[in-house]
Amino acid sequence: DTGVSQDPRHKITKRGQNVTFRCDPISEHNRLYWYRQTLGQGPEFLTYFQNEAQLEKSRLLSDRFSAERPKGSFSTLEIQRTEQGDSAMYLCASSLGGRKDGYTFGSGTRLTVV
Amino acid sequence: DAKTTQPNSMESNEEEPVHLPCNHSTISGTDYIHWYRQLPSQGPEYVIHGLTSNVNNRMASLAIAEDRKSSTLILHRATLRDAAVYYCILSSNFGNEKLTFGTGTRLTIIP
Repeated sequence: DTGVSQDPRHKITKRGQNVTFRCDPISEHNRLYWYRQTLGQGPEFLTYFQNEAQLEKSRLLSDRFSAERPKGSFSTLEIQRTEQGDSAMYLCASSLGGRKDGYTFGSGTRLTVV
Repeated sequence: DAKTTQPNSMESNEEEPVHLPCNHSTISGTDYIHWYRQLPSQGPEYVIHGLTSNVNNRMASLAIAEDRKSSTLILHRATLRDAAVYYCILSSNFGNEKLTFGTGTRLTIIP
């Protein structure tokens, strides 16, 4: 297993456009997390899934954001009608419950809204 | 979530030991102390974790105060590749809950 993969690595979009990011977790990990990180800050939690069920959503996740994890495998994060404030690094992580070293992060998707 | 306090930045000379402190005065009995680091343009990566006893692994050592209200991540011989932001995080349900990150400590290694 090559770890958590995120695609694309970089995305530049015009304000008002929709964007979708993909995350492929480690195959045996049942939990998948999305975080957002802006410059100089630590990652902020957005949402997480256990298998295909979305169990928690942060207040940061406005109505323009939606995440899915069909069949409990890969996940997508969509942002509709992007705004300049959405510019950030979007990180995906996966974990296996009970594993003490269990959180593995991807390298992230850097979104720039112009 | 219990909170941690870390210095914003630290500097160290290459090939010298580095001690990164973390205060967590409101830690609960079931909270493990986790350290992650984030290299430039990468996602965070696991470094080490512990509950009460000091811990060692190939990357670092973790020294935990007897009252558990503070801990120190020790890099025994810093290299330029250790330049990163280091996050100290508390979690009692590892693998089953979200991690809550602070702003971490930005470690600069001086050649």
